Amino acid sequence: SQQGEEDPQALSIQEGENATMNCSYKTSINNLQWYRQNSGRGLVHLILIRSNEREKHSGRLRVTLDTSKKSSSLLITASRAADTASYFCATDAAGSYIPTFGRGTSLIVHP
Amino acid sequence: GAGVSQSPRYKVAKRGQDVALRCDPISGHVSLFWYQQALGQGPEFLTYFQNEAQLDKSGLPSDRFFAERPEGSVSTLKIQRTQQEDSAVYLCASSNPGVGGKLFFGSGTQLSVL
Repeated sequence: SQQGEEDPQALSIQEGENATMNCSYKTSINNLQWYRQNSGRGLVHLILIRSNEREKHSGRLRVTLDTSKKSSSLLITASRAADTASYFCATDAAGSYIPTFGRGTSLIVHP
Repeated sequence: GAGVSQSPRYKVAKRGQDVALRCDPISGHVSLFWYQQALGQGPEFLTYFQNEAQLDKSGLPSDRFFAERPEGSVSTLKIQRTQQEDSAVYLCASSNPGVGGKLFFGSGTQLSVL
C-alpha cells in the first residue's frame, strides 16, 4: 500500500516556468522527503522536511508541509529541461522507520 | 564504494527459474532497504535490515521471496520459482542514522520474467 499520493500524475511545462507538485498522506508522520527519478535510474534524494517544520528551501526547490491537512507541496522555480523526471514523496509514519512512497508525478519540461 | 551498487543491471528469467539480486550498500551504512517498482508506479517496500538483522519483511509478496544480509553489508534478494508478475525493477537503498532518514538508492535491477 502507498501512504503518499502525488498530484498531478503528469505535468508538462515550458522551460522557465515554475512546477508545483502536491503530496497527500494518510497518517501522522515523522518526516516527509521528496525524491527524483530519471528514466531507468534509481531515486535521488532532494529534500527532507520534518513534521515540526513548515517550509524548507534548497536552491530552486521549495517544500511546504501542512500537517493539519496532511499534505506537502514541492515547487521547482525557473524549471530547466534537465528537471524532466518523475518526482516522489516519501513519508515515515510516526512509530515507523520505513519510508513509504507515492505513485509519483511525471514532469516534462520543454526546452 | 562511492554509492549503492546493484547487480545485475538487467535479468531475464524463464518462468519457474530462481534468481538472485545483489546489493552493495554504501560502506558503513547500517540500514538497508529493498523496494519493488512496477512500471509507472512508485517503489513498494519489501524488506528492511539493520546491520545483519532483518527487522521487517512485511512487504515481501510471497514466501518465494527471501532476503539476507549475513555480514551486515552486502545483501541478496532471492526469488524462487519466478512468475510473470514478479517482473519489475528491484531497488536497493541504504541509510545511516547520521543522515537523518535520507535514503541512497542504487540504479536497480530490472527483472523480466518470460
